[in-house]
This record gives sequence, structure tokens and C-alpha cells, in this order.
Amino acid sequence: DSGVTQTPKHLITATGQRVTLRCSPRSGDLSVYWYQQSLDQGLQFLIQYYNGEERAKGNILERFSAQQFPDLHSELNLSSLELGDSALYFCASSVAAGGPGGALFFGEGSRLTVL
Amino acid sequence: ILNVEQSPQSLHVQEGDSTNFTCSFPSSNFYALHWYRWETAKSPEALFVMTLNGDEKKKGRISATLNTKEGYSYLYIKGSQPEDSATYLCASPTGNQFYFGTGTSLTVIP
Repeated sequence: DSGVTQTPKHLITATGQRVTLRCSPRSGDLSVYWYQQSLDQGLQFLIQYYNGEERAKGNILERFSAQQFPDLHSELNLSSLELGDSALYFCASSVAAGGPGGALFFGEGSRLTVL
Repeated sequence: ILNVEQSPQSLHVQEGDSTNFTCSFPSSNFYALHWYRWETAKSPEALFVMTLNGDEKKKGRISATLNTKEGYSYLYIKGSQPEDSATYLCASPTGNQFYFGTGTSLTVIP
């Protein structure tokens, strides 16, 4: 158990809909990272937050947004969903803001299926 | 996007064989090199975080070396076991960007 909690574990929805994925980092970790893993693809970095502030953006679509709340949990919002958004979405947390930092601790992922 | 490359893409070895894979990264603006192990149906788990040129880390039968001047790291597995079957990922974070390579998929055949 990494200490990172993601909900929901599975989600099935229709094209055009909007979903919210939630992540609670390990106790004491201030950084939260979001990654997308599509079929046969590696981990695609989406976005990073540190202590409530956005610190880095990766390959995140404009239809997607995220935030980190004062209690440090984070939410990834996916809107106007398309079939291609079907993927496993991972959240990871770290004690550090970035740079060398510490290792990332990953949640179990949220599997999104768009029909 | 930081160009982290891993090779080979996949590898099949017999139980008991030793093996190694490579992670290449740009040597400029180096901060750290991370190795993760990702078993099927699980989430990635950190193996090593290395920051110094010449660094060597070891965890049981798995070890890693780092050459920051030439921009590569090797991961070694000695006496591979079926439970070592997984995808091994490396990442070289730059600032707050944390991009992973596409991984090396290892299958250990009993």
C-alpha cells in the first residue's frame, strides 16, 4: 500500500460527459502528479501541483483541468469526453516540490471507459 | 518534453539468467534519475533515486548505475526470477517536469 488513494477505481461513462477523479496523497506529501496511461502507451505526464499551486503542465488537453485543495487532495476533471480518453489515470505524490526530490508514490489508478 | 529513452523495449530471459537494461537521458540540466518497477495490474513502485555521477544503488538482486556525464543509467538484475517479470521505467525529472521513458518489459521464463 503506497498510501495514495484514488477514487473511483473504475468509471464507465458516455462521450460528451464530464467526470472527476480524486486523489488523496500520502500523509505529509505536498506534491501531486497526474498521469494518463492509454492502451499500449507509457505513462503520460499531465500536470503537477505543489501545496495547492500548479507547478508543471505536461501533455494535458484543454478539456482537462485539475486542482489541489487546501487539505492537499487533488481532483482531475475531464470534460467533453471522447472515446480516446479511455485510459488508466494515475495519481502520484511526493514530499518534494520537484527537481531531484524524492520518489513518486503511485495510487492504484482510476480506469475510465468512455463508450 | 525531456527525451528519456529506454532499451530494449522488451526482453525475455530464462529463470536464473542475469540481465540489464538501459535508460538514456539528456546530460544537460541533470537533477536525478529514477527507476520504477511496474507489475501488471499494479501501480509503479520506486526502486531507486540516484543523483550523483557514478552512483550505484542495490536492492537485493537488483542494482543500478548512473553516468550523468554521458547521460545513461543501467539497471541490472542478477539471477532473474519469475517474480521479476514487470515493466521497468526510468524518469529524469527536470524542474517540476516528471516524464517517464516507455519502459522495458521483462518476462522471466520459468
